[in-house]
Amino acid sequence: DVKVTQSSRYLVKRTGEKVFLECVQDMDHENMFWYRQDPGLGLRLIYFSYDVKMKEKGDIPEGYSVSREKKERFSLILESASTNQTSMYLCASRIRSGGVNEQFFGPGTRLTVL
Amino acid sequence: QQPVQSPQAVILREGEDAVINCSSSKALYSVHWYRQKHGEAPVFLMILLKGGEQKGHDKISASFNEKKQQSSLYLTASQLSYSGTYFCGTPDKLIFGTGTRLQVFP
Repeated sequence: DVKVTQSSRYLVKRTGEKVFLECVQDMDHENMFWYRQDPGLGLRLIYFSYDVKMKEKGDIPEGYSVSREKKERFSLILESASTNQTSMYLCASRIRSGGVNEQFFGPGTRLTVL
Repeated sequence: QQPVQSPQAVILREGEDAVINCSSSKALYSVHWYRQKHGEAPVFLMILLKGGEQKGHDKISASFNEKKQQSSLYLTASQLSYSGTYFCGTPDKLIFGTGTRLQVFP
């Protein structure tokens, strides 16, 4: 059974803190993604990675960075958390780019920044 | 620019039908659909390709009009298990739509 896991389901942080969100997939997928989900805005792509050590900006990368040192792990970093980063964060993976390959999502991390 | 979905929300009784639309301002080369049940991860439903090829769910159908840059998801004889938020997306651009919340009541 394919699996994408995220380190926390719920997280509460204070403004200005550095926040790490971890995502691990056990399917040997090449591609990994970070989205944020907000009511009425759907899923918006923050960053993605097509392979180890590679990263690309998505539509809303400001205030975020990522790290992919190992194939199975993709970390999202909030350098200095702000209240407008309160959101649901979803990680996803895909076997490779192109074609009909579906994305597999993790359960999400609901982050609240106070 | 995200694809825009309509309606934003729909409420159904079991057995009723619904159509969810996805419209893009940019060219669509393929469209995928996902469903997210409350508190769960989005799950792949189907993908539609240029030329009419379709891969995915056996109880939910969809159409893809490349010229109009639109896709529609057809849910017939809805079941309680259909409740959730539906997202369309563009696999090549990794962009998802704004979402449609569907609730089915007994």
